[in-house]
Amino acid sequence: AQTVTQSQPEMSVQEAETVTLSCTYDTSESDYYLFWYKQPPSRQMILVIRQEAYKQQNATENRFSVNFQKAAKSFSLKISDSQLGDAAMYFCAYRRPLNFGNEKLTFGTGTRLTIIP
Amino acid sequence: GAVVSQHPSWVICKSGTSVKIECRSLDFQATTMFWYRQFPKQSLMLMATSNEGSKATYEQGVEKDKFLINHASLTLSTLTVTSAHPEDSSFYICSASGTSVGGGETQYFGPGTRLLVL
Repeated sequence: AQTVTQSQPEMSVQEAETVTLSCTYDTSESDYYLFWYKQPPSRQMILVIRQEAYKQQNATENRFSVNFQKAAKSFSLKISDSQLGDAAMYFCAYRRPLNFGNEKLTFGTGTRLTIIP
Repeated sequence: GAVVSQHPSWVICKSGTSVKIECRSLDFQATTMFWYRQFPKQSLMLMATSNEGSKATYEQGVEKDKFLINHASLTLSTLTVTSAHPEDSSFYICSASGTSVGGGETQYFGPGTRLLVL
């Protein structure tokens, strides 16, 4: 079974600085998808970024980028120029490709990010 | 695009009553919808997966007769908590995926429903 591990329960960063959230996963599959979701105090889950395992290029969305190391099964999220609105719980998630059926997301336990003004 | 709504956002009910929560995909057709439960300061726990027109697939340990799921159309799924008890109090979140958004692999989440059973 696939597992997702977020080893940092809490992180904090000074506003405008850069922070990296860690995520590792375990799978025997070669093709899969990885996601970072953000859950602010409103508790709305918001997609931050996604990565297809077959793509070597790291995904980037504005100030958010990932460091995807397939061999190491690592998928870290880098937030540049941190803003107060980035304060949230961040969840890393894994899913298998669609051709395996309606596969569920496997979530990590989350990292709570605090932004220090 | 890829907006999912939930209704109601808050519900308080008496023990023994049933509560229905709606999940709608507003701007795409959701071939698959998922229902999660989240306890405070914890991750999301998948309860069930539903495909339009089919019976839901429940995760191990989730009571089918307690949590009734209906996915009658490509834009609507409902979760009914039957004979609710205080231990059912929680935050319920739905998500939806469709081939027209994110290739079908990405789940888009609703804002959640807080249920309090007195």
